[in-house]
Amino acid sequence: SQKIEQNSEALNIQEGKTATLTCNYTNYSPAYLQWYRQDPGRGPVFLLLIRENEKEKRKERLKVTFDTTLKQSLFHITASQPADSATYLCALGSGGYQKVTFGTGTKLQVIP
Amino acid sequence: GAVVSQHPSWVICKSGTSVKIECRSLDFQATTMFWYRQFPKQSLMLMATSNEGSKATYEQGVEKDKFLINHASLTLSTLTVTSAHPEDSSFYICSARKSGTGAYEQYFGPGTRLTVT
Repeated sequence: SQKIEQNSEALNIQEGKTATLTCNYTNYSPAYLQWYRQDPGRGPVFLLLIRENEKEKRKERLKVTFDTTLKQSLFHITASQPADSATYLCALGSGGYQKVTFGTGTKLQVIP
Repeated sequence: GAVVSQHPSWVICKSGTSVKIECRSLDFQATTMFWYRQFPKQSLMLMATSNEGSKATYEQGVEKDKFLINHASLTLSTLTVTSAHPEDSSFYICSARKSGTGAYEQYFGPGTRLTVT
């Protein structure tokens, strides 16, 4: 069955450092992968999308890589700030207007 | 912008009653909307995909007679939890995709916290 795994344990990082979050998947051939941010008691907010034929995508302090051979995506936040503290979700989609499947999320805590 | 609203933001109801949750895309049209539920410290679980003008597609294990979805316009979808029970207590979140753009990202509402007593 399809499985999407993110670090279940919280990631604590010092302010100013680069945070790296991992998303691994099995039994899936996604056409694209998305990353979302979710704050407690709120709906997720879209951050970045990367397609299967793309290796890397950047947006301001965010960078996403997508390795379809390893079946893995890495999500980096450079120069992390306490305001970046949240849960980050990866989501995989098969293309078209089909549904996406969300991972379990990783909670990031940036310590001042 | 791409703003999605939900109403109400929280609701408490008695067991056996029905509750309607509205999801609106405020500044764009959405042919497709999605309904999720989320339990504490767990990820989003897709309940159904709602397409404007047609019947919703429910995920396996989701009772369509219990969770009624209506997508009457390109900016409004509703989820009605019928004969609610305490185990239906959860955080319900909707999302919408922009129509006609070919974009895959989903824009989420702020969620509705349902508590059934």
